[in-house]
Amino acid sequence: GAVVSQHPSWVICKSGTSVKIECRSLDFQATTMFWYRQFPKQSLMLMATSNEGSKATYEQGVEKDKFLINHASLTLSTLTVTSAHPEDSSFYICSARRQGATDTQYFGPGTRLTVL
Amino acid sequence: AQSVTQLDSHVSVSEGTPVLLRCNYSSSYSPSLFWYVQHPNKGLQLLLKYTSAATLVKGINGFEAEFKKSETSFHLTKPSAHMSDAAEYFCVVSETNTGNQFYFGTGTSLTVIP
Repeated sequence: GAVVSQHPSWVICKSGTSVKIECRSLDFQATTMFWYRQFPKQSLMLMATSNEGSKATYEQGVEKDKFLINHASLTLSTLTVTSAHPEDSSFYICSARRQGATDTQYFGPGTRLTVL
Repeated sequence: AQSVTQLDSHVSVSEGTPVLLRCNYSSSYSPSLFWYVQHPNKGLQLLLKYTSAATLVKGINGFEAEFKKSETSFHLTKPSAHMSDAAEYFCVVSETNTGNQFYFGTGTSLTVIP
């Protein structure tokens, strides 16, 4: 299998606080993980590519100081939304690429973030 | 440059009738193509993928897709729709020369009418 989990599945926070979302590959090692954002009834927008042991690569227009990504191990990547504001409310989805397999991405179940 | 066009934003079919979700792609090299399904408030589940092997690809839950290079298409089909097929479907293209980054289509919402 190729199972990817995310935690939490749903989080509500106050404006100005920071929220950390975890993405774990449960049964395989992932050298690369990806973070996407999805607005209601829209497609996925790639935010950043996270490689284990190195800095993340952010897509154009994504604030790296606001969306902090850490890929500390081959099975865990975290996304921290710093000083969250209501416009950061969204569905955040991570995916992982299996080590040695460069084509397929396996997606997590997503995290619904609501900022009040 | 790669891109994906899903020709229909919404498709409605009756239960038991065939499903056709259309996808056209643009790619400079030999692409990999995928179909993913997303149920409400859920992540994406891989239905099937094409990576330069057989042009007719069979996936899970009775879905299949045919890679047609001459038409730059990768349409998703299923002979008989089930109520549980109602979901959002995404066509995705990637290429080795761009680090296998995924390029998503805008999605097709499938409604199955009982």
